[in-house]
Amino acid sequence: DTGVSQDPRHKITKRGQNVTFRCDPISEHNRLYWYRQTLGQGPEFLTYFQNEAQLEKSRLLSDRFSAERPKGSFSTLEIQRTEQGDSAMYLCASSLDDTEAFFGQGTRLTVV
Amino acid sequence: GESVGLHLPTLSVQEGDNSIINCAYSNSASDYFIWYKQESGKGPQFIIDIRSNMDKRQGQRVTVLLNKTVKHLSLQIAATQPGDSAVYFCAENKGDYKLSFGAGTTVTVRA
Repeated sequence: DTGVSQDPRHKITKRGQNVTFRCDPISEHNRLYWYRQTLGQGPEFLTYFQNEAQLEKSRLLSDRFSAERPKGSFSTLEIQRTEQGDSAMYLCASSLDDTEAFFGQGTRLTVV
Repeated sequence: GESVGLHLPTLSVQEGDNSIINCAYSNSASDYFIWYKQESGKGPQFIIDIRSNMDKRQGQRVTVLLNKTVKHLSLQIAATQPGDSAVYFCAENKGDYKLSFGAGTTVTVRA
């Protein structure tokens, strides 16, 4: 499978714990995006990378959220001190420059 | 707030009939729109896109129409099949493929 891969697919955590998600983009894609999707809503843009550089962060990305793409390949999204409002599907997408973005299947986070 | 929005949250269609999903946008300067399909438990999947220099674009069984005068776009699916049951989103490309999605229309195909 050469599509966008996300791990884990599901994560249940207790409020206050830290969680980290991983995204492996399509290999030749230089751009990588993170989105968050809550139930019944469309995805909301969080941040994106061009190679290893994080170019933009949405106002939705509070200080508890941090994303990295250290070598310009895979990316991680960490949420510190999780809150119940963080429960959502976290989607990763990748693209080659300004062409079609392909989405992964997402990581569903439940904070209890 | 959202820059794109859908008219109806749900659509029920008979198998074999055509489906039409509508979307409105607010910014007259918007110039690139994309339709996505999302099946349960999966990420959004690209269907078709259209830029503002076009009024119509066709793909396999799908057509997107863009009316810049009233800031409206639609997705038409011909001969709807059970596999077309999903949530459909219109999205605006805000530049660098940063996407602003609407809330989605759930399409249910009746056998």
